[in-house]
Amino acid sequence: GEDVEQSLFLSVREGDSSVINCTYTDSSSTYLYWYKQEPGAGLQLLTYIFSNMDMKQDQRLTVLLNKKDKHLSLRIADTQTGDSAIYFCAEIPGGGADGLTFGKGTHLIIQP
Amino acid sequence: DTGVSQDPRHKITKRGQNVTFRCDPISEHNRLYWYRQTLGQGPEFLTYFQNEAQLEKSRLLSDRFSAERPKGSFSTLEIQRTEQGDSAMYLCASSSSQGHEQFFGPGTRLTVL
Repeated sequence: GEDVEQSLFLSVREGDSSVINCTYTDSSSTYLYWYKQEPGAGLQLLTYIFSNMDMKQDQRLTVLLNKKDKHLSLRIADTQTGDSAIYFCAEIPGGGADGLTFGKGTHLIIQP
Repeated sequence: DTGVSQDPRHKITKRGQNVTFRCDPISEHNRLYWYRQTLGQGPEFLTYFQNEAQLEKSRLLSDRFSAERPKGSFSTLEIQRTEQGDSAMYLCASSSSQGHEQFFGPGTRLTVL
């Protein structure tokens, strides 16, 4: 099965908060990441969280980590039309310098 | 622009041809990664280099895929005898040995006819 799992779609109204969820399987992951991909573009690193933290806030972005349940979430406050994109959760299995393992991505759809 | 760059941005080829893609990492980043992304999927890790050493290549999809980084700066990814299933976006990323964040280039979109 998937190492990293995400819901495929999330629809929110402009101005509301968006919460994108992710579950992962490797408890030894040192860092967990959120990337954003707009149509036809590469991936933009949005934020990351160190595994010994529960929460990290960066402007409109809040990352929550529940290590016991291996659950990661990304909250985007005051969602804007420019936030429309695919959001990927990622980990580095084993916590080393290896490649990232990504989920399939969550399409964030903004309704006016 | 000091970000990761990739060339070409688009490549259309016929089945059976060989293709080569280039990636220039952020300067002074000594780690370089290649990924493949197919439609509707997240990127899939293929291989990575630290300086000129290829430290992981077991994830390359077949022996038709190879990568080099001869001087520890830019890297090339070659696909020999392309197949229609190779059609995808090929992404490159780089990171420093002191950091863990990987920064991605815009990708090369390959279409095999």
